[in-house]
Amino acid sequence: QKEVEQDPGPLSVPEGAIVSLNCTYSNSAFQYFMWYRQYSRKGPELLMYTYSSGNKEDGRFTAQVDKSSKYISLFIRDSQPSDSATYLCAMATPYGGSQGNLIFGKGTKLSVKP
Amino acid sequence: DTEVTQTPKHLVMGMTNKKSLKCEQHMGHRAMYWYKQKAKKPPELMFVYSYEKLSINESVPSRFSPECPNSSLLNLHLHALQPEDSALYLCASSLETSNTGELFFGEGSRLTVL
Repeated sequence: QKEVEQDPGPLSVPEGAIVSLNCTYSNSAFQYFMWYRQYSRKGPELLMYTYSSGNKEDGRFTAQVDKSSKYISLFIRDSQPSDSATYLCAMATPYGGSQGNLIFGKGTKLSVKP
Repeated sequence: DTEVTQTPKHLVMGMTNKKSLKCEQHMGHRAMYWYKQKAKKPPELMFVYSYEKLSINESVPSRFSPECPNSSLLNLHLHALQPEDSALYLCASSLETSNTGELFFGEGSRLTVL
C-alpha cells in the first residue's frame, strides 16, 4: 500500500459545482496536510495548509482532515473555469523537521467547464 | 516579493553537453530545494539545502550536481544526462526546513535531453 493515495481523475464538472477532492494515507505519523494547485506547465502553488485534524476555510476553499479515518479532503465551492488545474495533496511527519518527509499524492486533474 | 525565479524556462541539450539551471529567491528563506517532475507524476525531491549546506541528497546520480553559492541562489549543474532525465525541474524554497510543507515553487525549467 502506498503512503498516500489520490485518484488522478480526470474530474470534469460544470461551472458553479461543488468539487470534492480526496486523499487517503496509511502513515499515522503524518501531522501536516497540504493542498497544492498546479496549473499546466507551472510550478505547484500552496493552496491550503492544515496541522493535525479539523477544518480550515479560505474563501471558496475548505480543507478537512480526519485523522481517525486517515482521510483528507479539499472542497471547492462555486467552482470556476480558472480552478481548472491539477490538485496535489501532500503530507509530512514532524520527525526531524525536514522537508525530506514531504510526501505528495499523484494529483487529481480538475476541469471546470463554462 | 514572494517569487522563486527559475532560468531558463526551457532547455534542450545533448547527452554530452554541460548546462546549468538557476534559481533565485529574495524572500529571506534559508531552505532551498530541487525537485524533478515527470509528466502526470508528483514532484520528486532531489536535493535540500539548509543555510547553504546540502542536507539531503535523495540518491541522485552524480550527473546532477547542486550548488548553493549564497542564501538567495541555487544552481543545478547538468552533465552527461540521459534522455530519461527529460523532465520539469522545480526549485522551491521555505523559511527553514522545519516549516514543513510550506514550500514556494518556481515555474520550473523544462529540460529535454536528446
